[in-house]
Amino acid sequence: GENVEQHPSTLSVQEGDSAVIKCTYSDSASNYFPWYKQELGKGPQLIIDIRSNVGEKKDQRIAVTLNKTAKHFSLHITETQPEDSAVYFCAASRGSSNTGKLIFGQGTTLQVKP
Amino acid sequence: GAVVSQHPSWVICKSGTSVKIECRSLDFQATTMFWYRQFPKQSLMLMATSNEGSKATYEQGVEKDKFLINHASLTLSTLTVTSAHPEDSSFYICSASGSTNYGYTFGSGTRLTVV
Repeated sequence: GENVEQHPSTLSVQEGDSAVIKCTYSDSASNYFPWYKQELGKGPQLIIDIRSNVGEKKDQRIAVTLNKTAKHFSLHITETQPEDSAVYFCAASRGSSNTGKLIFGQGTTLQVKP
Repeated sequence: GAVVSQHPSWVICKSGTSVKIECRSLDFQATTMFWYRQFPKQSLMLMATSNEGSKATYEQGVEKDKFLINHASLTLSTLTVTSAHPEDSSFYICSASGSTNYGYTFGSGTRLTVV
């Protein structure tokens, strides 16, 4: 079945440094790859997403890259701040109309030390 | 942007009772809704997918008679945990998607504690 692997499970960086989280997916028909930030006791919040017809997308300090051939996608956060500390999840879906189910990675706990 | 409202945010119930969780899309029509369960320090596990007016499709290992899902309108889906037991204690999260380009919008989650 579909599977999304996410690494690392925990990541600790100094404020101002960059953080990179990587995911691989198994379903070659996946075409939508969102990243979510989840704070304790809250639902996931979309921070950036990318579709399979694009290789890279950037939004201020956050960027996502996609390698469809290798079935890899990564989240890059630059100039990290303490408020970036949270759990981050990658996900993959094959639903071009956003009706396909999202399969989540295991999550990465990011700690940004001031 | 799209907003999904989920209630209650937390609930404590006695073992053997039923609990209903509501998920509403406030500013868009949710043709598809998803229900997830999340145990502490774990990922979101999809329980079921429901399309408006149709029976829900449950993931393998999820008891459909225990977790009743209703998606009777384009703005409301409910999850009822029947005959709850302590092992059902978890964080339940809904997600909605529709005909917009907003992708998947998540609710704020419901912390269920069964005592």
